[in-house]
Amino acid sequence: AQSVTQPDIHITVSEGASLELRCNYSYGATPYLFWYVQSPGQGLQLLLKYFSGDTLVQGIKGFEAEFKRSQSSFNLRKPSVHWSDAAEYFCAVGVAGNNRKLIWGLGTSLAVNP
Amino acid sequence: KAGVTQTPRYLIKTRGQQVTLSCSPISGHRSVSWYQQTPGQGLQFLFEYFSETQRNKGNFPGRFSGRQFSNSRSEMNVSTLELGDSALYLCASSDRGGGGANVLTFGAGSRLTVL
Repeated sequence: AQSVTQPDIHITVSEGASLELRCNYSYGATPYLFWYVQSPGQGLQLLLKYFSGDTLVQGIKGFEAEFKRSQSSFNLRKPSVHWSDAAEYFCAVGVAGNNRKLIWGLGTSLAVNP
Repeated sequence: KAGVTQTPRYLIKTRGQQVTLSCSPISGHRSVSWYQQTPGQGLQFLFEYFSETQRNKGNFPGRFSGRQFSNSRSEMNVSTLELGDSALYLCASSDRGGGGANVLTFGAGSRLTVL
């Protein structure tokens, strides 16, 4: 069965520190991969996506993610975190075919210390 | 371009009542998806509509229903509310149907509290 795992429920980093949020998926084919961010009281906003091609993708707000097929991972990174990055981050996998849909991870809550 | 608009933003109901939530997608988007978000369950897919047709449905009881109008606006209805229906209901629109490869634009959500 398809699934998405975000192993870290909550992460706290200091402002200016680097960040890596993990995402692992289970899917039989090459998936469509997404990272969304949700600020408090808001809906979700797309950070970046991977469909094909270069496995390192750049997104908005200085975020990037790398697709590693051998590890079934799509980890999100940022070299220097800003206080405004405090939010909930969701990884999602797009499933193609007749039952096409998005499968979501449970999210990682990011806190940023000043 | 206006974003996805959800109304109402907040509402309080009592058990047994029903509720209707509205979603206006981005102009030109014909696909609308609905999600239920709770702290313990994350984002749970409710259903997706494309050009007034339900294209996909999640694992929710029949108390949860939806529809889409010819102008792509969508409504979802929950009847006979239960305490467990308290959640943030998110609507997302896309310019294509199909779910898997779609980039979704989300509204800010409707926060439902059932007492």
